Amino acid sequence: DIQMTQSPFSLSASLGDRVTITCRASRSIGTYLSWHRHTPGNAPKVLIYGASRLQSGVPSRFSGSGSETDFTLTISSLQPEDFGIYYCQQSYSTPYTFGQGTKVELK
Amino acid sequence: QVQLQESGPGLVKPSETLSLTCSVSGGFISGYYWSWIRQPPGQALEWIGYVYFTGSTNYNPSLKSRVAMSVDTSNNRLSLKLNSVTAADTAVYHCARILPRDGTIDLWGRGTLVTVSS
Repeated sequence: DIQMTQSPFSLSASLGDRVTITCRASRSIGTYLSWHRHTPGNAPKVLIYGASRLQSGVPSRFSGSGSETDFTLTISSLQPEDFGIYYCQQSYSTPYTFGQGTKVELK
Repeated sequence: QVQLQESGPGLVKPSETLSLTCSVSGGFISGYYWSWIRQPPGQALEWIGYVYFTGSTNYNPSLKSRVAMSVDTSNNRLSLKLNSVTAADTAVYHCARILPRDGTIDLWGRGTLVTVSS
């Protein structure tokens, strides 16, 4: 199985802050990488797919980059609705696997 | 707008079979892969497997011997069965839609908590 490792495990940030989350794959996955956000009581939501492609309807403050084994999710200016847990996920090969999650909290 | 809704018993006894249904509203099952993903309390998300709208399946090897997924295109429903459950199967279970082009999960259900306990 491909292991996905995210960092940091959690972070505290203020509204308007720039936030960066990283994800590393245990072997090359090309750009078969998605980012999802999960807030309590809601369905998770895909933000980025193909490592850098913005899902329809997702605000442009979200961006993704990277390829092969190293990936980054950036939120350019944190908004109230952005708090939650962020997961990276590879779809390069089955079993699909997820990072352990990064909890983004209000400072 | 397509929505997914999981349903099923919230409590299952050890050694019994967990059975869940996912209802797809606002869209059709055809043309997509449909996945089940779970999250035990305090743990990471775990991909259980997927079923194509044709009925073909791909399961996580860690659960393959105990899991069965199927689709009912007539009623726009998916089903998950997991047999011989133990407390380790206690989790929130999500259904999700997967795009065939690249495996992207583009839609999730809110999830349903299943507790395994006597």
